[in-house]
Amino acid sequence: LAKTTQPISMDSYEGQEVNITCSHNNIATNDYITWYQQFPSQGPRFIIQGYKTKVTNEVASLFIPADRKSSTLSLPRVSLSDTAVYYCLVGLKTGANNLFFGTGTRLTVIP
Amino acid sequence: GAVVSQHPSWVICKSGTSVKIECRSLDFQATTMFWYRQFPKQSLMLMATSNEGSKATYEQGVEKDKFLINHASLTLSTLTVTSAHPEDSSFYICSARDVADSSYEQYFGPGTRLTVT
Repeated sequence: LAKTTQPISMDSYEGQEVNITCSHNNIATNDYITWYQQFPSQGPRFIIQGYKTKVTNEVASLFIPADRKSSTLSLPRVSLSDTAVYYCLVGLKTGANNLFFGTGTRLTVIP
Repeated sequence: GAVVSQHPSWVICKSGTSVKIECRSLDFQATTMFWYRQFPKQSLMLMATSNEGSKATYEQGVEKDKFLINHASLTLSTLTVTSAHPEDSSFYICSARDVADSSYEQYFGPGTRLTVT
């Protein structure tokens, strides 16, 4: 299992760009990186998934360096509603090892 | 988008009784569903993998006789907490994978909060 390490918490002001980095030093060749968002008392919500370089969708960007030992979730211009816990998961798309959630990063957006 | 529902959204039961939680994929078929448990301020912990038409696969440390899982159709999995005790109070979340989705994305339900008194 590719273990992931994230900061426990982060604070940011509204309107700023937030970058959350996840370390996964023992990522395997065929592993993908997936990020989820979870609000209190709700199930997680898929944000973005990537394998290498950069992936962008309507809510976030995911930057993955060439060695793939880390990844950075970038949230542009956060708002108060982005306050949540963000989880980074690493594993095969079809495999069981992308089902194990790490500690996550608790992002608090400050007005 | 793919939607997963859970019922009930919250339940309070007395110690020693059993509680059933349903997980449904509303607009897709899911041969595999997953059950998680989450305690306050903690991360999600995978309890078991539910396979349609076969026995569930439980993670280490999860009592299969206490947490009964049934996946009788491609859209429904149930988790029954038998002889519930206060320490079983938690937030239970299910997820499902769309068999037709090549991204193998997990779609999560809204969760069920169980309180055992």
